[in-house]
Amino acid sequence: AQKITQTQPGMFVQEKEAVTLDCTYDTSDQSYGLFWYKQPSSGEMIFLIYQGSYDEQNATEGRYSLNFQKARKSANLVISASQLGDSAMYFCAMILVAQKLVFGQGTRLTINP
Amino acid sequence: ETGVTQTPRHLVMGMTNKKSLKCEQHLGHNAMYWYKQSAKKPLELMFVYSLEERVENNSVPSRFSPECPNSSHLFLHLHTLQPEDSALYLCASSQDVIDTQYFGPGTRLTVL
Repeated sequence: AQKITQTQPGMFVQEKEAVTLDCTYDTSDQSYGLFWYKQPSSGEMIFLIYQGSYDEQNATEGRYSLNFQKARKSANLVISASQLGDSAMYFCAMILVAQKLVFGQGTRLTINP
Repeated sequence: ETGVTQTPRHLVMGMTNKKSLKCEQHLGHNAMYWYKQSAKKPLELMFVYSLEERVENNSVPSRFSPECPNSSHLFLHLHTLQPEDSALYLCASSQDVIDTQYFGPGTRLTVL
C-alpha cells in the first residue's frame, strides 16, 4: 500500500538555524514523485519542492532542499537559515502513476525568535 | 486574479441547507481536484477531473456532488450534510493529473 509517514508531529527551532523535516514513503511503484507543501494558519497549501524518483540529484529551491535517499525511501526537507515566516504545517506527499497524491500527517514547525 | 481561488472562504450551514463551494483556476490547467482536510487526519482526495471529465471518485457520500462545467471552474454542491463533514475543503489544479498540484486557500466549512 502507498503510504507517507512523517514521524515528527511538532518541531521547535531557533530562528536562523537549519531544520530537517523527516519523510519516509512506501510504494512498490518504480515511477513516482515526491512533494513538500507548506500550510500556514491561513489554510492555503503552498507548493515548495518536487523530486522525481528518477532524478539523480537532490532538488533545491532557494532555502529548501530535498534530501532524497531512494534506497531508504526517505525524502527529508531541509530548510536552511530558518525565518519566523517558516512557522507552519509541512506536508510530504507522493504521486504515483495511478495519479493519486497521497499526503502524510504533517509536521508543525515553530520558529522561535 | 492569479492562481487558484476559492469562494466562500468560510461557510456555516445547517444540516438541511444546500450550498455550493466554488473553485476557479487561472493557470490554464487541465486537471482539478477537491480535497477534504479534517483535524488530525491526512488530506483526503475526494474528486479528480481531467479535461472536465471525472476520473476519480474516492467513495465520497452522495451528499457531496461535484460539477466541472469547464476546465477553469469546479464546484462542490453540498446538501443534507452532517456535523462530521465540518472541515477545510481545498481545491487544487495541475497541468495534467501527474503534474504538480497548486492549491487554493480553502473553504472552512462548519456544519451545525
